[in-house]
Amino acid sequence: GEDVEQSLFLSVREGDSSVINCTYTDSSSTYLYWYKQEPGAGLQLLTYIFSNMDMKQDQRLTVLLNKKDKHLSLRIADTQTGDSAIYFCAESISGPPSSGSARQLTFGSGTQLTVLP
Amino acid sequence: DAGVIQSPRHEVTEMGQEVTLRCKPISGHDYLFWYRQTMMRGLELLIYFNNNVPIDDSGMPEDRFSAKMPNASFSTLKIQPSEPRDSAVYFCASSLVAGNTIYFGEGSWLTVV
Repeated sequence: GEDVEQSLFLSVREGDSSVINCTYTDSSSTYLYWYKQEPGAGLQLLTYIFSNMDMKQDQRLTVLLNKKDKHLSLRIADTQTGDSAIYFCAESISGPPSSGSARQLTFGSGTQLTVLP
Repeated sequence: DAGVIQSPRHEVTEMGQEVTLRCKPISGHDYLFWYRQTMMRGLELLIYFNNNVPIDDSGMPEDRFSAKMPNASFSTLKIQPSEPRDSAVYFCASSLVAGNTIYFGEGSWLTVV
């Protein structure tokens, strides 16, 4: 089955790096995602990584994927107060082609990142 | 593109009243999802549609909840009768094809008193 786990809270000082961790259980995941939710808003896609990659970098964001350990992390360099939000990890699991069913995203519980001045 | 559009953004209603939430997916997206977010349960998938057909409604909490998608550009989630425990943020999301990124609307913030 699918189960995505994240720690609930993380606090960092402005300017430091933040590392948000996620573990998942389904080895058939094809894509893994990071979404960001700011207060009062919907979930916004931050970045994603295909399961055959082990690292993806996009400006201040670095995603690391360890398939062996089923561990995904998001590193935010030079964290700013505007980065304070809830970060959701999600995995995309392929459904059987014959069913026509979409891959579903299974979300973690979210990590509340607080950036302290 | 305008993104996924939901209405109303906020609704406060009395227990027992009918609530209808509306969603317009991104044009051309074949998949539409309804999620519910609460502090206690996090983000839950309620139901999703493919080409306007409900595929999996196993997440719908009970018979008081129903969802329809009469055409490719419109979906509703209805709660009748509403109860205080239905208070949550309801998100609509859409994706182009199976396995692609899901794009979320801004959510409908429902309070049932």
